[in-house]
Amino acid sequence: RKEVEQDPGPFNVPEGATVAFNCTYSNSASQSFFWYRQDCRKEPKLLMSVYSSGNEDGRFTAQLNRASQYISLLIRDSKLSDSATYLCVVNSLGGSARQLTFGSGTQLTVLP
Amino acid sequence: GAGVSQSPSNKVTEKGKDVELRCDPISGHTALYWYRQSLGQGLEFLIYFQGNSAPDKSGLPSDRFSAERTGGSVSTLTIQRTQQEDSAVYLCASSYQYEQYFGPGTRLTVT
Repeated sequence: RKEVEQDPGPFNVPEGATVAFNCTYSNSASQSFFWYRQDCRKEPKLLMSVYSSGNEDGRFTAQLNRASQYISLLIRDSKLSDSATYLCVVNSLGGSARQLTFGSGTQLTVLP
Repeated sequence: GAGVSQSPSNKVTEKGKDVELRCDPISGHTALYWYRQSLGQGLEFLIYFQGNSAPDKSGLPSDRFSAERTGGSVSTLTIQRTQQEDSAVYLCASSYQYEQYFGPGTRLTVT
C-alpha cells in the first residue's frame, strides 16, 4: 500500500462547480498535512496546510479525519485558473520535519 | 522575499557526462530537499539536508548521484556518467518547519 494515495482523476468540471478530492495516508503517526498545487511544467506550490479542526481559505476548505486517515480538499465556485494537479502531502515520520511524502496528484480541469 | 532559485533552468547533456545542478534555498531555511519528477509522474525524493546533521540519502537511486550542501546554504546535486533514464526535472525545496517551498527546477535531458 502506498503511504499516500490519491485518485489520479482526471476531474473535469464546469466553471462554478464544487469539487472535492480525497487522500488517504497509511502512517497513523503522521502529524503534518498539506495540499499543494502543481501547474503543468511548473513546480509544486503550497496551497494550504491542513489542521485538525479543518481550515478554510476563500473558496478552499481542507479537512482532516485522523480516525479514517484521510484528508480532503473542497473547492467551491471553481474557476478556470483552478485547473492544475493537486498534491496531497503528508509528513511521513510522525512529528519529524525530516521528510514529506507526496501523493501522485489529482488532475483537475475546469471547463468554460 | 526571494524564493528558492535553481540553476541552470535547462541542461542538455550527452550520455556519460557528469552534470551539476545548483540550488539556493530561502534565506534562514535550515532544511533542503532534492526531488526529481519524470514527465507525468509524481515527485521522487532524493536527498534531505537538515542543518549540520548527516544528510538523509535514502532516496538516491544509485551511487552516480551525490549531493552536498556548503555552509548550510547552497546545495549542489551531482550526477556522474549520466544515463538517459536520468532525464527528468530536478526540484529543490527548502523549509524552516514543515512547509516546503520549491524552486522552479532544472530540466535535465540526457541525449
